[in-house]
Amino acid sequence: NAGVTQTPKFQVLKTGQSMTLQCAQDMNHEYMSWYRQDPGMGLRLIHYSVGAGITDQGEVPNGYNVSRSTTEDFPLRLLSAAPSQTSVYFCASSTRSRESDTQYFGPGTRLTVL
Amino acid sequence: AQSVTQLGSHVSVSEGALVLLRCNYSSSVPPYLFWYVQYPNQGLQLLLKYTSAATLVKGINGFEAEFKKSETSFHLTKPSAHMSDAAEYFCAVRGGGATNKLIFGTGTLLAVQP
Repeated sequence: NAGVTQTPKFQVLKTGQSMTLQCAQDMNHEYMSWYRQDPGMGLRLIHYSVGAGITDQGEVPNGYNVSRSTTEDFPLRLLSAAPSQTSVYFCASSTRSRESDTQYFGPGTRLTVL
Repeated sequence: AQSVTQLGSHVSVSEGALVLLRCNYSSSVPPYLFWYVQYPNQGLQLLLKYTSAATLVKGINGFEAEFKKSETSFHLTKPSAHMSDAAEYFCAVRGGGATNKLIFGTGTLLAVQP
């Protein structure tokens, strides 16, 4: 199993550009989510999905879109990048069979918006 | 609502010394608590989790944590620090409701001095 994979690892954008951060998992997990990590703030939830075709907003959803057409993939789209979106983005996945299920994280995408 | 507070954004210990990283939680329901570790430029890896089965939880790499309901704490300890333990550590609590979302603390950066 590759686990949770994310591409790209690094990205530099100019203000106003759009892009998609890719996330894929090969563990057949129902639950997938996106977090952003900023210094001194821990990780904050952007969007999540409890299964194909079902998504919902997290704590900091503004400026981001998601969709979940398959169980494996959960891309995160930045519609019009802003410097405030400079961050490290992590995708995570887990089963939903128990409340204590472990979330598995990808290696992250480091995004800089100029 | 669920939340966690990590006391001390930076902790420095000598190699061989006790490691103690503090986490206090707030939860309106019996909590599910997690400790994750993040090594430089990597994703998050689960160290251990509390699922109400036992108050003393043992994790990987010699770490353990004790759930104390009366103190609303879930502190992470390791008897003897190794240089390889230098990393950032995050405490997290499962959010309420039907999702698996995690609510993270702000993290503690552990430095290990030779």
